[in-house]
Amino acid sequence: NAGVMQNPRHLVRRRGQEARLRCSPMKGHSHVYWYRQLPEEGLKFMVYLQKENIIDESGMPKERFSAEFPKEGPSILRIQQVVRGDSAAYFCASSPPLSTWDTQYFGPGTRLTVL
Amino acid sequence: AQTVTQSQPEMSVQEAETVTLSCTYDTSESDYYLFWYKQPPSRQMILVIRQEAYKQQNATENRFSVNFQKAAKSFSLKISDSQLGDAAMYFCAYRSSGSARQLTFGSGTQLTVLP
Repeated sequence: NAGVMQNPRHLVRRRGQEARLRCSPMKGHSHVYWYRQLPEEGLKFMVYLQKENIIDESGMPKERFSAEFPKEGPSILRIQQVVRGDSAAYFCASSPPLSTWDTQYFGPGTRLTVL
Repeated sequence: AQTVTQSQPEMSVQEAETVTLSCTYDTSESDYYLFWYKQPPSRQMILVIRQEAYKQQNATENRFSVNFQKAAKSFSLKISDSQLGDAAMYFCAYRSSGSARQLTFGSGTQLTVLP
């Protein structure tokens, strides 16, 4: 059973460009979470999605950031008009349909560098 | 809002010795879940151990065990017979048992294992 897949692993963008980060959850998992890790910090929650629904986006910046998890295909985290402060590691996690634990399994992350 | 505090930014341990990493949290909830994740230099987040708040028995996973003190809101991780491969950043995380599914992470403890 393949783990959570994220691509690209490294992404370099210039200020003002768009960044698209992809996440394929583990097989059988229908819940996806995105977290951001700034240098020397812990992970911070951004958004929680189920197929075709955003469940909780309380950690998402109000502007420039959006996320989706379509019926088919990976979840996408989109950052428009990137700024240097967006440079961070972005982690995706997935969990199975609601269960007692809902343990989240993480992907390897995408390291975004904004020049 | 829940907060998770890891007061030890760095710890070191001699190979084969035992080390304990501290974690405290703040919550008004009575039921919740606690996790320890490990982040080695590869940056992959790996689940180490988990604990349900309503279970008084401390969780154990091979060389890893926790000391869960619910009244004190403390959740420390003990690593026995430390190995070089245990060197990593360790994050403590909290998750509500309610509708909020996201993990709240501490700032991490960098563990060095000395040969």
